[in-house]
Amino acid sequence: NAGVTQTPKFRVLKTGQSMTLLCAQDMNHEYMYWYRQDPGMGLRLIHYSVGEGTTAKGEVPDGYNVSRLKKQNFLLGLESAAPSQTSVYFCASSSWTGNYEQYFGPGTRLTVT
Amino acid sequence: AQSVAQPEDQVNVAEGNPLTVKCTYSVSGNPYLFWYVQYPNRGLQFLLKYITGDNLVKGSYGFEAEFNKSQTSFHLKKPSALVSDSALYFCAVRDITSSASKIIFGSGTRLSIRP
Repeated sequence: NAGVTQTPKFRVLKTGQSMTLLCAQDMNHEYMYWYRQDPGMGLRLIHYSVGEGTTAKGEVPDGYNVSRLKKQNFLLGLESAAPSQTSVYFCASSSWTGNYEQYFGPGTRLTVT
Repeated sequence: AQSVAQPEDQVNVAEGNPLTVKCTYSVSGNPYLFWYVQYPNRGLQFLLKYITGDNLVKGSYGFEAEFNKSQTSFHLKKPSALVSDSALYFCAVRDITSSASKIIFGSGTRLSIRP
């Protein structure tokens, strides 16, 4: 049982390049989330999904897109990276049972130059 | 709007001493409150939660938190700190505008335990 995994762990992009971050969970959770973590700002929700084929915007969605084609996977895309997107990105998942406990992946450190 | 505030960016405690990490909340209705911990280069881990019931909630690694409705606080405590408790701690609150188990995080408090 790996829990929540994220790939890649590190990435350096040049401004304007694109990339996709992959999140996978093996707990059969319905809900999945993408956050970014910046110093002094805690975690801010980018996008989330309540089930396969559904996505919704969070607090800071601009510049990002997501897809959830399979229940266990949640992809975060940057179509044209900007230096302001330099951050650590975390994926999380939780069940629909309403206990609000979220399980986090190890994070992806992204630098945009 | 719901929010949590962590008034201290950093808390320094000597090993063996009690520790407190502060959190205050602002919510409409009954608060669901949480504490998460982040060790270096790791994702967040759930520590404990308050939904209803006893005001003193016990969690992982010997931590506990006290819910105080009159002071709108949910402080994290431990009777005797360990060096291994050094980490980043986040208070969080349920987002009642959403049915997707969304939670809103505070800005975090870095706890440093000196030997």
